[in-house]
Amino acid sequence: GESVGLHLPTLSVQEGDNSIINCAYSNSASDYFIWYKQESGKGPQFIIDIRSNMDKRQGQRVTVLLNKTVKHLSLQIAATQPGDSAVYFCAETGDSSYKLIFGSGTRLLVRP
Amino acid sequence: DGGITQSPKYLFRKEGQNVTLSCEQNLNHDAMYWYRQDPGQGLRLIYYSQIVNDFQKGDIAEGYSVSREKKESFPLTVTSAQKNPTAFYLCASSTQGTYGYTFGSGTRLTVV
Repeated sequence: GESVGLHLPTLSVQEGDNSIINCAYSNSASDYFIWYKQESGKGPQFIIDIRSNMDKRQGQRVTVLLNKTVKHLSLQIAATQPGDSAVYFCAETGDSSYKLIFGSGTRLLVRP
Repeated sequence: DGGITQSPKYLFRKEGQNVTLSCEQNLNHDAMYWYRQDPGQGLRLIYYSQIVNDFQKGDIAEGYSVSREKKESFPLTVTSAQKNPTAFYLCASSTQGTYGYTFGSGTRLTVV
């Protein structure tokens, strides 16, 4: 079936550098995408979202980019901090029931 | 403060036993969801409910059962028919017609 996937299972970055986490999706009908952050032993927390009628959306230190042509989503974190270390998931809408389909996640490790 | 509470945080089950995981929310959300997360993997949907007294199977419903007798509560029973129940279980809720999920902190179930 349709699924959301990630290119890199683990990303290691130096503190202060920018991080880019990528996600590929296969359902061209998806119209809403969300990035979640999950710390160890906790539930996912909402980071930022974007609708398919947008290419870019910015939050505090985070930016989400959407390329519908190649069905690619990315999360950019500026000035990465140790507290950013976590697993990051992208999610997409699978259908009109408002169910989210989650990718397998990328682990972000921030080196001091 | 409004939120979503899962209990217990850790649960141990003997093979052949049924166990019930609790999920309660005071956010006045209409929809509730149960996800399963295995190590290093994304979230897979078990069951979801968009309204009281109604629920639908997700992608991996076999071996699980749910009920939605109250808006605030969506308990998940892991039955003996579930052959690999050891996992991290996450409950989420959202307002009907939106994709903004709020997640609980999860229950880690281990079969001993």
